[in-house]
Amino acid sequence: GAGVSQTPSNKVTEKGKYVELRCDPISGHTALYWYRQSLGQGPEFLIYFQGTGAADDSGLPNDRFFAVRPEGSVSTLKIQRTERGDSAVYLCASSFGTGGYNEQFFGPGTRLTVL
Amino acid sequence: AQRVTQPEKLLSVFKGAPVELKCNYSYSGSPELFWYVQYSRQRLQLLLRHISRESIKGFTADLNKGETSFHLKKPFAQEEDSAMYYCALSGRRGAQKLVFGQGTRLTINP
Repeated sequence: GAGVSQTPSNKVTEKGKYVELRCDPISGHTALYWYRQSLGQGPEFLIYFQGTGAADDSGLPNDRFFAVRPEGSVSTLKIQRTERGDSAVYLCASSFGTGGYNEQFFGPGTRLTVL
Repeated sequence: AQRVTQPEKLLSVFKGAPVELKCNYSYSGSPELFWYVQYSRQRLQLLLRHISRESIKGFTADLNKGETSFHLKKPFAQEEDSAMYYCALSGRRGAQKLVFGQGTRLTINP
């Protein structure tokens, strides 16, 4: 079956603009994660959904970042008033539910460039 | 605080030589430790996790709680092992967010 997909693959925007990044998890996976990977760094956790609810949003850097998963499947990461420091690869991952570790399967990422 | 440290950003070895990628961690409690790999133009994927005690593609990693280390080893490197390697940890219960190290780029020279 298809893996995790993310759209767009690349997004170039201007400072101050609003962007939305989309993630389609593997069918049947109830858990969905967003990570951000800056150049030369490992992925950094942003937010985690279990079903429709955000179970842990402790990694969101500030209130310009917001994510939703209204039907428990597709998720959208929203960034308001983008800044040049937001430039990074945004990774999405999904897994089966909690109750012991479940392998996270990663998408290809969205490369965001803020000019 | 949860932290993963990979001291080497770059590691280069010759084909057939042994490989060791270092990983140290700090975590209050009993974490789960993982190695993830990213081959060129591919997505991040799980290589192995400490709890399964498997050897994957000839790689092994032993969790040393005394030294808080989880080094990745392979006795004889192959060219196809060239990739970016990330060590990561998570808690054992509840939310399983991963905390990653900064990664080590491994290059196997022919």
